Amino acid sequence: AQKVTQAQTEISVVEKEDVTLDCVYETRDTTYYLFWYKQPPSGELVFLIRRNSFDEQNEISGRYSWNFQKSTSSFNFTITASQVVDSAVYFCVLNSGYALNFGKGTSLLVTP
Amino acid sequence: DAGITQSPRHKVTETGTPVTLRCHQTENHRYMYWYRQDPGHGLRLIHYSYGVKDTDKGEVSDGYSVSRSKTEDFLLTLESATSSQTSVYFCAISERGPNYGYTFGSGTRLTVV
Repeated sequence: AQKVTQAQTEISVVEKEDVTLDCVYETRDTTYYLFWYKQPPSGELVFLIRRNSFDEQNEISGRYSWNFQKSTSSFNFTITASQVVDSAVYFCVLNSGYALNFGKGTSLLVTP
Repeated sequence: DAGITQSPRHKVTETGTPVTLRCHQTENHRYMYWYRQDPGHGLRLIHYSYGVKDTDKGEVSDGYSVSRSKTEDFLLTLESATSSQTSVYFCAISERGPNYGYTFGSGTRLTVV
């Protein structure tokens, strides 16, 4: 069965700290896709990244970076030099064939 | 310029009444989805559609039905609302299917009293 585990329910950091959000997944598929979505306090869901199982290169986008490791079934998300605007719930997501399967989310609070 | 809109945005209803939530898209995307979001559960799939009149159940479909008579509209009906259906409901669309991600609507906050 497809499963996503985000063990960190809540994280609190002070602005400018680096923070890593963990994501571990389970799948029997050889081809699969992983995503991260952000949900700020306003409530909308914002797409951040999509990664397929054949591409293990790490990705960097500004202060955001993602570390995909098939050997440990992990797809971790790091925010460098966090800012207050990064405060949100972050979801790690795995496709399940007919739909996307969401983790329970990690709530990140960045304080000044 | 939103390509996907949900209505209503907020609703309070009484236990036992039927409720219909609407998802409307202007993107002509084939795939549409309804999720509910509850604290501690993330987003859970209720129903999805892969074309007009083609729908199927997700993991939490009990008590819900859907209809898609036009590409642009995907309706979610709570046949007899219960307090356990108090939640935030999100609609999502996808042009090419879940492997390519979704665009989400803004959500509908439903309270059943």
